[in-house]
Amino acid sequence: QSALTQPASVSGSPGQSITISCTGTSSDVGGYNYVSWYQQHPGKAPKLMIYDVRKRPSGVSDRFSGSKSGNTASLTISGLQAEDEADYFCISYTSSSTYVFGSGTKVTVL
Amino acid sequence: QVQLVQSGSELKKPGASVKLSCKTSGYTFTRNAINWVRQAPGQGLEWMGWINTNTGNPTYAPGFTGRFVFSLDTSVSTAYLQITSLKAEDSAMYYCARDRSSGRDFDYWGQGTLVTVSS
Repeated sequence: QSALTQPASVSGSPGQSITISCTGTSSDVGGYNYVSWYQQHPGKAPKLMIYDVRKRPSGVSDRFSGSKSGNTASLTISGLQAEDEADYFCISYTSSSTYVFGSGTKVTVL
Repeated sequence: QVQLVQSGSELKKPGASVKLSCKTSGYTFTRNAINWVRQAPGQGLEWMGWINTNTGNPTYAPGFTGRFVFSLDTSVSTAYLQITSLKAEDSAMYYCARDRSSGRDFDYWGQGTLVTVSS
């Protein structure tokens, strides 16, 4: 199973919106509404930000939103803040009953 | 609050074995599966598989069969990952992550254990 494709880096100024894409196939992203997104600050454990494509766990800011179109899922961060600077990765459930991870995106707040 | 606390860094020689732990707290251990994830230096994250904490039944992802063993000690709410016949390419950060109930995602993660294999 090949990794899901994410841009290596995305940047934006405070207050702006950015979108991170996560592209897979019809056997993973396109086939199920089981895409999740995670934030990871250096040296810290990953944190679940979005699950089931667009649902937010309790306590996660509504500045984070998820969507999907075809084989590509997206994470949008609105009103970018300095604390959003981190690595982000997606995970999708697959037709083989396994999980495939995205390649990861470094978000920089300018 | 839910916590997954992993054991400390390990430095091992090629051919040796290592057993990593993932001690959980703040919830009923047997209600959520535990997954294991590997991140090699400069590489992306890879799902290694999961273990059913109710039955103890492990499922290994392709590429992680044979030398990798998932186990549990439910009396101390702890999951383990053992790697045998260590190779240099096993050098990586290893994470445990809890399955969200009725979900297909991981709602809590350990902080990771760094394994270095070097002669």
